[in-house]
Amino acid sequence: QKEVEQNSGPLSVPEGAIASLNCTYSDRGSQSFFWYRQYSGKSPELIMSIYSNGDKEDGRFTAQLNKASQYVSLLIRDSQPSDSATYLCAVNQAGTALIFGKGTTLSVSS
Amino acid sequence: GAVVSQHPSRVICKSGTSVKIECRSLDFQATTMFWYRQFPKQSLMLMATSNEGSKATYEQGVEKDKFLINHASLTLSTLTVTSAHPEDSSFYICSAIDRGRIYEQYFGPGTRLTVT
Repeated sequence: QKEVEQNSGPLSVPEGAIASLNCTYSDRGSQSFFWYRQYSGKSPELIMSIYSNGDKEDGRFTAQLNKASQYVSLLIRDSQPSDSATYLCAVNQAGTALIFGKGTTLSVSS
Repeated sequence: GAVVSQHPSRVICKSGTSVKIECRSLDFQATTMFWYRQFPKQSLMLMATSNEGSKATYEQGVEKDKFLINHASLTLSTLTVTSAHPEDSSFYICSAIDRGRIYEQYFGPGTRLTVT
């Protein structure tokens, strides 16, 4: 059974702080790793994708991948109230369906 | 680019009727589309994988005779919920893989189905 584990939260941070989201996965054959943001009643929106070990930065977001530890993380710098949402970690092998974690709810207070 | 549409966005139907949901890739060709279902406060669960021109592959526990999937072209997949019941009420989301960029999936906006 391929699984993706996330802390459900809620994770609460003040505006301007760094939010740190974590994810572990069970399938060592996973090739692609994604973070999606989902607002209530909406479809997931891709925030970051990462395919190789190390860090990948895009604006206020940094994804980190450690395949040896089967661990993926997402850092959100300068958190804004608009970042309040559920963050879904997902993994797959190329061309296959995504396996999602249950999501971490982030709340950013102003 | 890489836009996926779904129609309808919301539908309310009576128990026992059938509902068809369309998923279209608007600016790319999708050899593979996926159908997910999301119940309130839960994550997305894969229902089936749809490949153009072949039968869909259903996940364990998903009734293939109840959830009919047709992927007739490289830009269109449909999900028909037959004899819908209130427990089928959910958020249905499709995603598609661009056959030229297989490492990423593009999600549709979802369809909210309510069965009364």
